[in-house]
Amino acid sequence: EAQVTQNPRYLITVTGKKLTVTCSQNMNHEYMSWYRQDPGLGLRQIYYSMNVEVTDKGDVPEGYKVSRKEKRNFPLILESPSPNQTSLYFCASSLGRAGNTEAFFGQGTRLTVV
Amino acid sequence: AQSVTQLGSHVSVSEGALVLLRCNYSSSVPPYLFWYVQYPNQGLQLLLKYTTGATLVKGINGFEAEFKKSETSFHLTKPSAHMSDAAEYFCAVSRASGNTPLVFGKGTRLSVIA
Repeated sequence: EAQVTQNPRYLITVTGKKLTVTCSQNMNHEYMSWYRQDPGLGLRQIYYSMNVEVTDKGDVPEGYKVSRKEKRNFPLILESPSPNQTSLYFCASSLGRAGNTEAFFGQGTRLTVV
Repeated sequence: AQSVTQLGSHVSVSEGALVLLRCNYSSSVPPYLFWYVQYPNQGLQLLLKYTTGATLVKGINGFEAEFKKSETSFHLTKPSAHMSDAAEYFCAVSRASGNTPLVFGKGTRLSVIA
C-alpha cells in the first residue's frame, strides 16, 4: 500500500531536548516536504526537498533542520525545541514537481513542548 | 507570490443541503489548484485538482469545483451534504511551472447537521 509514515504520532517533550520526527515514503517520490498546522493558520511549509541531498527552506524554517540522505526518508529535527513549536506536523511526498502532482500526506505528529 | 483565501473558517449545513466552500487565489502565473480534505485525526487527502483543460473538475465523494479565471476563484460544491462530509477542507495553489510547493489556505471546517 502506498503511504507516507510518520513517527511518532504523539510526542510530549521538554524545552531544549533535541528530537527527531521520522518520515518515510514507499512510492519512490522525489519531492518531500514538512508542514506544520496551527489553528487559524492552515498549513505552512517548513522545509522541502526536491531530491536526495537537495533541501530548501519553506515559509517557517526557523528552529528546524532536515536531511535527505535517502530518497525514501526525510526526518525533521528540532535541535532545541521551544513551546512555540507545539503544533501538528505533517510530512508529504509527491512524484515530482509539486505543481502538477498529488501530494500524499502522513497521518501527522502532534508535538507538545512544555 | 501566490496566496489562497478561504472565505469562512466554519460552515454549517443541514444534511441534504448544498455545500459551498469558497476559495479565491492570487497568482501571477497560471495556477494549479487543489482541494484537500482532512478528517479528524487524519492526514490530508486529495479531493480534486485543476491543472489544465476543463474548468469544471469532479472529485471524489461527489464533490466538484469550477476554475473561474476571471473571478480568480475555485469554489468547492456538493449538491447534497452527508454526515460523513464533516471535515476540514483546504484549498491550495501551486504554480504551473517550476518546482514549487503548495500554498494552502487556512482551511474551512464543515459541519453537517442532521
